[in-house]
Parts: sequence; C-alpha cells; structure tokens
Amino acid sequence: AQSVTQPDIHITVSEGASLELRCNYSYGATPYLFWYVQSPGQGLQLLLKYFSGDTLVQGIKGFEAEFKRSQSSFNLRKPSVHWSDAAEYFCAVALYSSASKIIFGSGTRLSIRP
Amino acid sequence: DVKVTQSSRYLVKRTGEKVFLECVQDMDHENMFWYRQDPGLGLRLIYFSYDVKMKEKGDIPEGYSVSREKKERFSLILESASTNQTSMYLCASSATGQGSEQYFGPGTRLTVT
Repeated sequence: AQSVTQPDIHITVSEGASLELRCNYSYGATPYLFWYVQSPGQGLQLLLKYFSGDTLVQGIKGFEAEFKRSQSSFNLRKPSVHWSDAAEYFCAVALYSSASKIIFGSGTRLSIRP
Repeated sequence: DVKVTQSSRYLVKRTGEKVFLECVQDMDHENMFWYRQDPGLGLRLIYFSYDVKMKEKGDIPEGYSVSREKKERFSLILESASTNQTSMYLCASSATGQGSEQYFGPGTRLTVT
C-alpha cells in the first residue's frame, strides 16, 4: 500500500540556519509528490510539487525539494529560515488507484529559535 | 485565486447533536474532500466527492455523512456528535486529473462536549 513517512515530529532550528525536512514514500511507480505548509490556525498551502522531469523542484517562499528515486525520498530544504517559517509541514503523495486522492504524512512541526 | 471557505472557524456542540459543516469553493472544481486533522495523525480522509451527488468513503467515514447537491458546495454531517469527533475539520477541492493540487479551506475546529 502507498504510504508517506515523515520521521521527524518536531524540529527546531535557529533563524538564518539551513533546514531539511525528511519525507519517505512507498509507491510502485513514478509518484506525484507534494509539500504543503500549515501556519497556525490556517488551512494547508501548497509549497511545491513533483510530477516528472527535473528532480530538484523549486517552490514558493524560497523552498526546494529533491526527488531521489533510489532512496524513495522527497526532502524539503531551505538555505536560510525566517521566523515566519514556523509552521507544520506535510509531505503527500497522490494515489495511483484514484486519480484525485492524496495521502498525507503525519507532519513535521518546525519551530524557529531567535 | 482559488478560494475555499468553511462556514465556521470554531464550533462547540453537545453530545448527540446533529452538526453540519459547510464548504464552498469558487473554482468550479469537480472534486471536493473532507479531512479531519488530529495531532500526530496528519490528515485523514473522511469522504470525497468527484461530482454532484456522487460520493466515496475515505479512510474514516464512520459517524459521518456528506451531501453534495451543487458543484460548489460540499457538506459534512455528524448525525449524532460524540466527544471523539472533537477535531479540526478541513475541506479541500481540486480539479480532475492525476495528482491535481488540492486547495484547502481555513478549517473548522469542532469541540463536542
């Protein structure tokens, strides 16, 4: 069965430091992958998505993610975090069995140290 | 810009009450979704609708029903609310097609006492 794993429940980084959030997926073919962000009290907003082609994907707010088939990973990165990046981040994969459904990881909460 | 709105941001209901959560999208999307979000569990799909009057159960449909009479509106119904249904409820919509992005509403935090 398809699944998405985010191994880190909570990460704290200092403002200005680099960030990497981990995501591993289980999928039988080339996946459609997403990263969403949820600010406190808000709905989810799409940061970026990967469908095919270049394995390094650029998103909004200075985020990028790299698809690595050999490692079944789609890690999210940012070179320098800002206090406003404090939020919960969800990795997700589209189901191959249903054209429109997406399954989400359990999320990683990011805190920023001043 | 796609807009998905939910009728309430916060709701407090008593055990046994019938609860309606409304969701409206303005992008003529075919697909609409209801999720519940609980700490440590991520988002879990309750119900999904791919067309007017069409619906499909998600992973946790027990205790819930849905209604989609118009394309832009998708309602989640708790027939008899229970305390274990206290949660954040998120609505989303998307166009048809493999891997289409889902657009989310701001969420409704429901407390059942």
